[in-house]
Amino acid sequence: EADIYQTPRYLVIGTGKKITLECSQTMGHDKMYWYQQDPGMELHLIHYSYGVNSTEKGDLSSESTVSRIRTEHFPLTLESARPSHTSQYLCASSEYVAGNRNTIYFGEGSWLTVV
Amino acid sequence: SQKIEQNSEALNIQEGKTATLTCNYTNYSPAYLQWYRQDPGRGPVFLLLIRENEKEKRKERLKVTFDTTLKQSLFHITASQPADSATYLCALSDTGRRALTFGSGTRLQVQP
Repeated sequence: EADIYQTPRYLVIGTGKKITLECSQTMGHDKMYWYQQDPGMELHLIHYSYGVNSTEKGDLSSESTVSRIRTEHFPLTLESARPSHTSQYLCASSEYVAGNRNTIYFGEGSWLTVV
Repeated sequence: SQKIEQNSEALNIQEGKTATLTCNYTNYSPAYLQWYRQDPGRGPVFLLLIRENEKEKRKERLKVTFDTTLKQSLFHITASQPADSATYLCALSDTGRRALTFGSGTRLQVQP
């Protein structure tokens, strides 16, 4: 069982609201990620971090932002939510292993619905 | 462009049979390939990792093959059970890439 936690699991909010999805891991992993996944579709990397104060954009453009002030915490923020942001957001972490042999541990996901 | 392809059609098999899922990739030179299981509404869970110099890897009822010439991995579940019903994702990463890239997955349904 992976020690990575996401809150909230489910959220319905109105257009224009600011939302922060929380993600914490207790495994001491340096690398953390946010993936976005629509139902039945593939996962898309939207943000990743190699460690504290390191954040990068992923393959899929996203209007969200992230921060990494502490190793264990990697929150994702949407300043002004829109219906197009409705999706499942999956947080993940891995050890830093040379050669990218990094098994990824996922949280349970946060389902966001913007109305 | 880089692509990971998994059969988008669901695979339906009878309990006790062997399920075989395919992952094909193009324009990657992966050092490793991984398989994950995803249940509805949950995050993916790691199952197996196979290196480019390994032809086959086994773990209990699971077997993975990796053919870098064909650019293909096969994932087998022997003596399948209804509890094996889930979506199975393959994932790989070029050396130097930032994170794993996932295929869209194949849904497996095992009928009792």
